[in-house]
Amino acid sequence: GNSVTQMEGPVTLSEEAFLTINCTYTATGYPSLFWYVQYPGEGLQLLLKATKADDKGSNKGFEATYRKETTSFHLEKGSVQVSDSAVYFCALSRNSGYALNFGKGTSLLVTP
Amino acid sequence: GAVVSQHPSWVICKSGTSVKIECRSLDFQATTMFWYRQFPKQSLMLMATSNEGSKATYEQGVEKDKFLINHASLTLSTLTVTSAHPEDSSFYICSAWTSGGSSYEQYFGPGTRLTVT
Repeated sequence: GNSVTQMEGPVTLSEEAFLTINCTYTATGYPSLFWYVQYPGEGLQLLLKATKADDKGSNKGFEATYRKETTSFHLEKGSVQVSDSAVYFCALSRNSGYALNFGKGTSLLVTP
Repeated sequence: GAVVSQHPSWVICKSGTSVKIECRSLDFQATTMFWYRQFPKQSLMLMATSNEGSKATYEQGVEKDKFLINHASLTLSTLTVTSAHPEDSSFYICSAWTSGGSSYEQYFGPGTRLTVT
């Protein structure tokens, strides 16, 4: 079946540090890949997505590239801010309108 | 943007009672709604998928007679936990998908924390 594995947290970084959160997946066919973010007390929000191999999703300074050869979709940001503190979930979906398979989430804390 | 609400946000009930959780799409019509369950420090696990006017499709291992899902309209889905027990305590999250929007995006509610005493 489909599954997502992401690095365990919590991750603590100083402001302006470089962020990488690793995500790998197992899936049949060609899934779409997502990063969702959950700020304290709020629902999950889509951060970025990629629907085919070599696509790069980007939003708010975050980027992730769909790597089929390594089955990975690592999240990166060059300079994190305190406001980026949240839980980040990597997820996949086998097609539009289908349910998501989530990783366990990675908690990020950015300190001033 | 598209907004999904859940009510209540937090509920405490006694063992053996039933609890209903509502999920509403406020500004769009949801073709499909999903119900997830999240345990502390763990991933979201899909419980069921519901389409308006159809019976919900439950994931393997989810008791359909215990977790009753109704999707009576394009803006409302309900999850009823029947005869709740302490092991049902969890964080329940719904999401909604519309065929009329960004085709791959699901919109999530803020979640409902259920505590069964």
